[in-house]
Amino acid sequence: AQSVTQLGSHVSVSEGALVLLRCNYSSSVPPYLFWYVQYPNQGLQLLLKYTSAATLVKGINGFEAEFKKSETSFHLTKPSAHMSDAAEYFCAVTSDSGGYQKVTFGIGTKLQVIP
Amino acid sequence: NAGVTQTPKFQVLKTGQSMTLQCAQDMNHNSMYWYRQDPGMGLRLIYYSASEGTTDKGEVPNGYNVSRLNKREFSLRLESAAPSQTSVYFCASSVKQGTTEAFFGQGTRLTVV
Repeated sequence: AQSVTQLGSHVSVSEGALVLLRCNYSSSVPPYLFWYVQYPNQGLQLLLKYTSAATLVKGINGFEAEFKKSETSFHLTKPSAHMSDAAEYFCAVTSDSGGYQKVTFGIGTKLQVIP
Repeated sequence: NAGVTQTPKFQVLKTGQSMTLQCAQDMNHNSMYWYRQDPGMGLRLIYYSASEGTTDKGEVPNGYNVSRLNKREFSLRLESAAPSQTSVYFCASSVKQGTTEAFFGQGTRLTVV
């Protein structure tokens, strides 16, 4: 069975400060990991994904995430927060284990950016 | 570029009424999904269609039915709406089921009173 834990359902940062959103996963087989962003009243859109090619993954809007197998983590970071980063962020995990490949989403982290 | 289009965007139903949520994608994707999003619960899969002609239950299928009308369209039907089905519903599609990224529609906000 696979699962995703996002630590902190709400995170507040000041504009210009580091953004760190935490995601830990469990998977019995090598995982595929995703970060999605959801702006108010919109659907989810992909920020970045890990598919074993490189442990440091760069995404859109200056976000990046590092896959750490030893820590079973895939935390999302951005060096300097911008007001437009205020949104809800979802970590998701799946695996290429054959048959139905379930995608499990975390409960989401709402990011507030304070001017 | 349309991507994934859902209709309607908002709907209010009375308990016991039925309705169909429509979804269409123009990306030639094989797999399509219906999720519901509830506060504090993330996204939960209702039904999915790995490819045209197939549909399967997800985590929370009770009270719903789906139809994969063709490669582009995947509809979700509530036969007898209940207040517990008040939620935001998202349709999504992907090139193939599972390991490729999903593209989401804008959502349907459904309230059952």
